[in-house]
Amino acid sequence: GENVEQHPSTLSVQEGDSAVIKCTYSDSASNYFPWYKQELGKRPQLIIDIRSNVGEKKDQRIAVTLNKTAKHFSLHITETQPEDSAVYFCAARRKYGGSQGNLIFGKGTKLSVKP
Amino acid sequence: DTAVSQTPKYLVTQMGNDKSIKCEQNLGHDTMYWYKQDSKKFLKIMFSYNNKELIINETVPNRFSPKSPDKAHLNLHINSLELGDSAVYFCASSLHWGLVRPYEQYFGPGTRLTVT
Repeated sequence: GENVEQHPSTLSVQEGDSAVIKCTYSDSASNYFPWYKQELGKRPQLIIDIRSNVGEKKDQRIAVTLNKTAKHFSLHITETQPEDSAVYFCAARRKYGGSQGNLIFGKGTKLSVKP
Repeated sequence: DTAVSQTPKYLVTQMGNDKSIKCEQNLGHDTMYWYKQDSKKFLKIMFSYNNKELIINETVPNRFSPKSPDKAHLNLHINSLELGDSAVYFCASSLHWGLVRPYEQYFGPGTRLTVT
């Protein structure tokens, strides 16, 4: 089945710096890769996603890149702000098999942005 | 106005009890899910339902029994609660299941279950 590895588990940056979180997946048939942000005590919220036929997608200060050959994808946050502090999860969507359509999540990265 | 809602928000109960969590979505989505988030924040899919029908059971103990009275509701009943069931349970929904786009899933606010 699909397995998603996420690194680092914790990340601390200064306000204004960039943050990068990386994920690798095992199932080459996975076709959709969302990123969720979860603030303390809140629900996971979709912040950006990318499909397998796209290499890069940007939305203001956040961007996601996908390397299908290497089976990894990354979240980039530029000009970080204290409100970016949260746990970020990557996920991969299984295209085939008994769990078709399910999201398999990475273990999360706790991002702290210091003012 | 909340797109995906859950009740209760908090649930504290003793081992051996039976409890239920309710989920409702007003997005008109066909597919609903239950996730468990443990103390280490790991999010794991438990069940997937499409149009009231169980699609996926990710090897969850049969003490957990989901029920979907209609495609806008997915409830989770847990029998004989154990200490290890303590977690935050999230309901989520997506427009369609399977290979049909869009794939986005939207989460409810979560139910924090504490078993003592």
